[in-house]
Amino acid sequence: GAGVSQSPSNKVTEKGKDVELRCDPISGHTALYWYRQSLGQGLEFLIYFQGNSAPDKSGLPSDRFSAERTGGSVSTLTIQRTQQEDSAVYLCASSSPLRDRTEAFFGQGTRLTVV
Amino acid sequence: QKEVEQNSGPLSVPEGAIASLNCTYSDRGSQSFFWYRQYSGKSPELIMFIYSNGDKEDGRFTAQLNKASQYVSLLIRDSQPSDSATYLCAVTGTASKLTFGTGTRLQVTL
Repeated sequence: GAGVSQSPSNKVTEKGKDVELRCDPISGHTALYWYRQSLGQGLEFLIYFQGNSAPDKSGLPSDRFSAERTGGSVSTLTIQRTQQEDSAVYLCASSSPLRDRTEAFFGQGTRLTVV
Repeated sequence: QKEVEQNSGPLSVPEGAIASLNCTYSDRGSQSFFWYRQYSGKSPELIMFIYSNGDKEDGRFTAQLNKASQYVSLLIRDSQPSDSATYLCAVTGTASKLTFGTGTRLQVTL
């Protein structure tokens, strides 16, 4: 696609349920990032993929959070046993493998509400 | 020390003035530097990138990079109310990972 696509755009879930958030990066982009942003706050880094491997997953807040990337393309962020504090906008971004073009392009985000 | 540091603001400037946004970074081997703008409720969008020491101008925006001081800035000339947003500094470090600062909120007043 022309841009980074995230789905769903909105998700309301009950506390304790599992959710999966999907990110489809720009074609050919090998780097993929997941961030979380609570209302009025800055970007909170979650995980960074280079291809299918995750050299930096230091931002995942707990073992309830996991992410995978397959085929060097689509990524899924899974939150198990959701809690109310997980409510936020989850943003995905991707960037080119070219050394001099490492800027990231963002999707429109998934707004997660845990009730 | 945070990898990329910005003053959270808000930075308030009158319409027509120059807004100066600053950012410092810790990885001396960093090669690529970016400024993003984020409107409330929207995703960040890239507005400037700079790779070499010195100034880079694009319309009303000028990015300035000083690698010796590990400092990058963004100047917005003739600030407009539509420039009111959060500005995020981002740096690609030696591990090729892009790291964002927490952003500076800019308010342009009438």
